[in-house]
Amino acid sequence: DSGVTQTPKHLITATGQRVTLRCSPRSGDLSVYWYQQSLDQGLQFLIQYYNGEERAKGNILERFSAQQFPDLHSELNLSSLELGDSALYFCASSPAQGRTEAFFGQGTRLTVV
Amino acid sequence: AQSVTQLGSHVSVSEGALVLLRCNYSSSVPPYLFWYVQYPNQGLQLLLKYTSAATLVKGINGFEAEFKKSETSFHLTKPSAHMSDAAEYFCAVSGASGTYKYIFGTGTRLKVLA
Repeated sequence: DSGVTQTPKHLITATGQRVTLRCSPRSGDLSVYWYQQSLDQGLQFLIQYYNGEERAKGNILERFSAQQFPDLHSELNLSSLELGDSALYFCASSPAQGRTEAFFGQGTRLTVV
Repeated sequence: AQSVTQLGSHVSVSEGALVLLRCNYSSSVPPYLFWYVQYPNQGLQLLLKYTSAATLVKGINGFEAEFKKSETSFHLTKPSAHMSDAAEYFCAVSGASGTYKYIFGTGTRLKVLA
């Protein structure tokens, strides 16, 4: 158990819908990272927050947004969903920024039908 | 920009044989390097990390990796493969450009043959 909790574990939704994925980092970790894993794209970095502030952006679509709340949990919002958004979405946390390992949650498997 | 290249998307070894998974990195500043393992339907678990201390790093489950700056490599090895090592392995780099995001390679799926 990494200490990072992601909910829900599975999500099935229709095209055009909006979903919210939730991540609770390890106790004390200030950095939260979101990744998308798909068969054709591999592990793609989406976005990073550090203590509530956005610090880095990767290949995140404009239809996607995220935030980190004062209690350090984070949410990834995906809207106007398309079939191609079906993937495993991982959240990771670390105490610092990149100098130590990141701890990964079990992921949320999103299926868009 | 940082990047990681993993040579060989699939590697097969016999049980008891040496495991060698290759990782080359590109970084303009001293990198932090990591190997993660992913079992089916699970998240990524850290195997080992290099953070500029010893160049030979020992990890969990008998794995180790050697940081070679001259070759920009961080290959993962295990002397004797076990059936339970079958999984996907990812090399990752971080620590530069002020953003500290983790950049992952495309992964190597290890198959262990009985």
